[in-house]
Amino acid sequence: AQSVTQLGSHVSVSEGALVLLRCNYSSSVPPYLFWYVQYPNQGLQLLLKYTSAATLVKGINGFEAEFKKSETSFHLTKPSAHMSDAAEYFCAVSEVNSGYSTLTFGKGTMLLVSP
Amino acid sequence: GAGVSQSPSNKVTEKGKDVELRCDPISGHTALYWYRQSLGQGLEFLIYFQGNSAPDKSGLPSDRFSAERTGGSVSTLTIQRTQQEDSAVYLCASSLIGSGSGDTQYFGPGTRLTVL
Repeated sequence: AQSVTQLGSHVSVSEGALVLLRCNYSSSVPPYLFWYVQYPNQGLQLLLKYTSAATLVKGINGFEAEFKKSETSFHLTKPSAHMSDAAEYFCAVSEVNSGYSTLTFGKGTMLLVSP
Repeated sequence: GAGVSQSPSNKVTEKGKDVELRCDPISGHTALYWYRQSLGQGLEFLIYFQGNSAPDKSGLPSDRFSAERTGGSVSTLTIQRTQQEDSAVYLCASSLIGSGSGDTQYFGPGTRLTVL
């Protein structure tokens, strides 16, 4: 069975600082991995996804994530935080199950950005 | 183009009442998913539709929950005899194919259900 662990339910950074949100997964097959962002009172928006084409994946809003098989990790980074990045971030793993894919989500990490 | 839409955006109901939540997927998407997001439980998978059929209902928490999809498009999630523990945000997502792990799911804004 697949699972996702996000370290830290809350991460606080200053505006302009590096953002690092951690995600570790377990999967019995090569995974597909996703990062979604959720702004208050909104649905989930796809930031980026890993589908084995390249280990470093670039997404929207300046975010990127690196797939490291040896560490079973898919951490999300952004060089310089903006106030508008404050939101909740979810890491998810996808596996094929009886011919279709399902997403298993981590618990989420709330990113707080201070001026 | 239009994304996934859900209605109502907010629903307040009394314990014991039935509620219906609606999801309009992205046009042309054959796969549709329902999730529940609640404090302490995170995002839980409820049910998956491929076309009008639901090959996986394993996530439905009890027999008070049911869902249907008609015309390969609109889906409704029905909760009968609502309980306070049903209070949550119900999210709908759709994807183009459903099969294949790289298929991206696109989410709607959710319906916030409050059971008093």
